[in-house]
Amino acid sequence: ETGVTQSPTHLIKTRGQQVTLRCSSQSGHNTVSWYQQALGQGPQFIFQYYREEENGRGNFPPRFSGLQFPNYSSELNVNALELDDSALYLCASSYGQGSSYEQYFGPGTRLTVT
Amino acid sequence: ILNVEQSPQSLHVQEGDSTNFTCSFPSSNFYALHWYRWETAKSPEALFVMTLNGDEKKKGRISATLNTKEGYSYLYIKGSQPEDSATYLCAFFFGNEKLTFGTGTRLTIIP
Repeated sequence: ETGVTQSPTHLIKTRGQQVTLRCSSQSGHNTVSWYQQALGQGPQFIFQYYREEENGRGNFPPRFSGLQFPNYSSELNVNALELDDSALYLCASSYGQGSSYEQYFGPGTRLTVT
Repeated sequence: ILNVEQSPQSLHVQEGDSTNFTCSFPSSNFYALHWYRWETAKSPEALFVMTLNGDEKKKGRISATLNTKEGYSYLYIKGSQPEDSATYLCAFFFGNEKLTFGTGTRLTIIP
């Protein structure tokens, strides 16, 4: 059983640029959630995708957008990067969208915006 | 504002000792509480998903209890080992599929 993978591992971008982060969910999982972890904080929920539809969103502006593909892999896109977007971005997959499903996390993508 | 709070922020424990830490969450509209262990340079790993008041769950030397009426959960580690060194995160499940994490308790086991 393949775990959750994310790419790239590290990324450096300039303010104003756009970035795409990728996540492959664990086999059999149909739900992917994205989180941002800034220094000294717990992971902050960005949004969740369930069977290719956005299924819940946290307090992030519209320049944070995502996609989920038929194989349940997912992308997180961030437009017009700001310095405060520098963080570790985690994706997590689960068997379903409900609260009782544990989440399986990837290793994260470290984004630095200069 | 609905917050999840964890205490203490960090903890140093002698190998072999037992320890516990706390997760506090809003006591209304409870759906579920998750505990995760996050070792350095690894991915967060699920420990427990707790859904019912009075739940007690155990995995090896680690156990957790849940009190939804008063809004807290305790995580216990018995006979700490060096491999228990990690950050322990709890996360409260609000509605709208939103899992809200605390800032974690960073546990260091001293050999």
